[in-house]
Amino acid sequence: AQTVTQSQPEMSVQEAETVTLSCTYDTSENNYYLFWYKQPPSRQMILVIRQEAYKQQNATENRFSVNFQKAAKSFSLKISDSQLGDTAMYFCAFMKQYSGSEKLVFGKGTKLTVNP
Amino acid sequence: KAGVTQTPRYLIKTRGQQVTLSCSPISGHRSVSWYQQTPGQGLQFLFEYFSETQRNKGNFPGRFSGRQFSNSRSEMNVSTLELGDSALYLCASSLEEKGWYGYTFGSGTRLTVV
Repeated sequence: AQTVTQSQPEMSVQEAETVTLSCTYDTSENNYYLFWYKQPPSRQMILVIRQEAYKQQNATENRFSVNFQKAAKSFSLKISDSQLGDTAMYFCAFMKQYSGSEKLVFGKGTKLTVNP
Repeated sequence: KAGVTQTPRYLIKTRGQQVTLSCSPISGHRSVSWYQQTPGQGLQFLFEYFSETQRNKGNFPGRFSGRQFSNSRSEMNVSTLELGDSALYLCASSLEEKGWYGYTFGSGTRLTVV
């Protein structure tokens, strides 16, 4: 079974600074997808960024980028120029490919607070 | 366009009762999944539906069931409620048959069992 570990339960950062959230996962699969989701107090999970395991290039979405290290099974999220609206829970998630089991396996989350 | 709509947003039930939660996916989305979120266990997969067929079920007791209708709307039902069923229940939908491009989530139904 796959497991996802987020080792930082809480983090804080000053507005406009850069912060990196860590995520490691355990799998014997070679083909899979990795995601970062954001959950603000409104409760709705919002997809931040997605990475396909077969792509070596790290995904980037505006201020959000990932450092994907497949051999190390590491998938960290970097938020640049942090904004107050980035305050939320961040969840790392894993999904197998071609399994017939398209379920997301989530980490426990990191609570990020952006301070003014 | 409208997002994933879950109703009701809040629900309080008594132990032993049953409850039905509703989810309307984004128009055109045919894949619907349900997740349970609790402080202790985090986010756990309940089930996934595609074209009215349950394709996957998570490790939950038989008291948890669901279905999907021809218009892709989905319901989940929990019978004989226990205190431990108190949680945020999230529904997610995907345009693609597989959720490889990511799911769109609703805001959830907060269920409290007393």
